[in-house]
Amino acid sequence: QSVLTQPPSVSGAPGQRVTISCTGSSSNIGANYDVHWYQQLPGTVPKLLIYGNYNRPSGVPDRFSGSKSGTSASLAIIGLQAEDEADYYCQSYDNSLSGYVFGTGTKVTVL
Amino acid sequence: QVQLQQSGPGLVKPSQTLSLTCVISGDSVSSNSAAWNWIRQSPSRGLEWLGRTYYQSRWYNEDALSVKSRITIKPDTSKNQFSLQLDSVTPEDTAVYYCVRGHSHSFGWYFDLWGRGTLVTVSS
Repeated sequence: QSVLTQPPSVSGAPGQRVTISCTGSSSNIGANYDVHWYQQLPGTVPKLLIYGNYNRPSGVPDRFSGSKSGTSASLAIIGLQAEDEADYYCQSYDNSLSGYVFGTGTKVTVL
Repeated sequence: QVQLQQSGPGLVKPSQTLSLTCVISGDSVSSNSAAWNWIRQSPSRGLEWLGRTYYQSRWYNEDALSVKSRITIKPDTSKNQFSLQLDSVTPEDTAVYYCVRGHSHSFGWYFDLWGRGTLVTVSS
């Protein structure tokens, strides 16, 4: 169903850097549509983490950063903390589906 | 503080209609800078955008191709709310349904405010 592919899981020790990839195609990320990222803590609703490829909403720590290149995007967490353990989703627009699409989701585990 | 308050039944029988309502406080369903979406989440389908309604000089509706023939999203300006109707449901429509506010950015929209979610189970 999802047209944006993410790794199922990534892990790291506290303080380390982890990166989550979001791979799309020429009808979504590659068509220059923005990529946005969401964090979903266990048992909660998704929360906007990054919008417009690299912008952080007010209140989001600067250890979260986003980037985009070609048909892919990435979310980096620099200085991983225990409270970052959550599911992360990318989102964009797809012009072949004429709708908004989400990534498959990545579970981040803090070792 | 902007809030979205969802309501609706948690159990729907197969072939019947799923109906949910989302009341907006602190913003307006007629806002020219927001869109009002329904998104669902299930283990099998992940996060899935279903559709939206928004006002920019006139009302617009856009729906996901996967549910286009079955979905109706309507604004209600008198109650500052919007609703979802999904017809002919099957067990595959079992999911947590969220009402969500969307905002436009340079090349696309993002979702910045989510309701608490309603678990809807389709079962006889």
